[in-house]
Amino acid sequence: AQSVTQPDIHITVSEGASLELRCNYSYGATPYLFWYVQSPGQGLQLLLKYFSGDTLVQGIKGFEAEFKRSQSSFNLRKPSVHWSDAAEYFCAVGPSNDYKLSFGAGTTVTVRA
Amino acid sequence: SQTIHQWPATLVQPVGSPLSLECTVEGTSNPNLYWYRQAAGRGLQLLFYSVGIGQISSEVPQNLSASRPQDRQFILSSKKLLLSDSGFYLCAWNIVGLGLQETQYFGPGTRLLVL
Repeated sequence: AQSVTQPDIHITVSEGASLELRCNYSYGATPYLFWYVQSPGQGLQLLLKYFSGDTLVQGIKGFEAEFKRSQSSFNLRKPSVHWSDAAEYFCAVGPSNDYKLSFGAGTTVTVRA
Repeated sequence: SQTIHQWPATLVQPVGSPLSLECTVEGTSNPNLYWYRQAAGRGLQLLFYSVGIGQISSEVPQNLSASRPQDRQFILSSKKLLLSDSGFYLCAWNIVGLGLQETQYFGPGTRLLVL
């Protein structure tokens, strides 16, 4: 069975500082991996995805993520955060035979001035 | 381009009342459709998914049901709401097998408060 762990429930970072969100997955084959962002009261927006090829993936809003098979990780990074990056971030892995995604519990990011 | 709509955006309902939330997708055909619930402070729980008209798979036993009367319409229902049904309900779609790599795209959500 596939599963995702996001070890950090909440992260606080200063504006302009770097950000890294951790994601560890469990999946029996080469995974499809995703990062989504959710602003308060909104739906989820896709930040980036990994299917194959280059293990460093660039996404929208200046985010990137690196797939490390040996560590079963897909951590999300941003070199310099903006106040607008305050949101909840979800890592997801798939697909299962039923084309379902498994989501992590999410990491809430607070940006302080 | 594809868009996904959900309504209503917000709903306050008394315990024991019925529920109907609607999700529609535009700009694509034969999508997979998904209903998720997000309770306060928790992650996403997959409730139902559908790979075609009239085909519904339920992930967890609960007070809710889903229907897909048309290709791009997905409805979440309840005959009698419980307090525990409160939450943020998200609809999502994807297309499998056309090079879109199973990416799921989400609607804006419906916030349901049961009192």
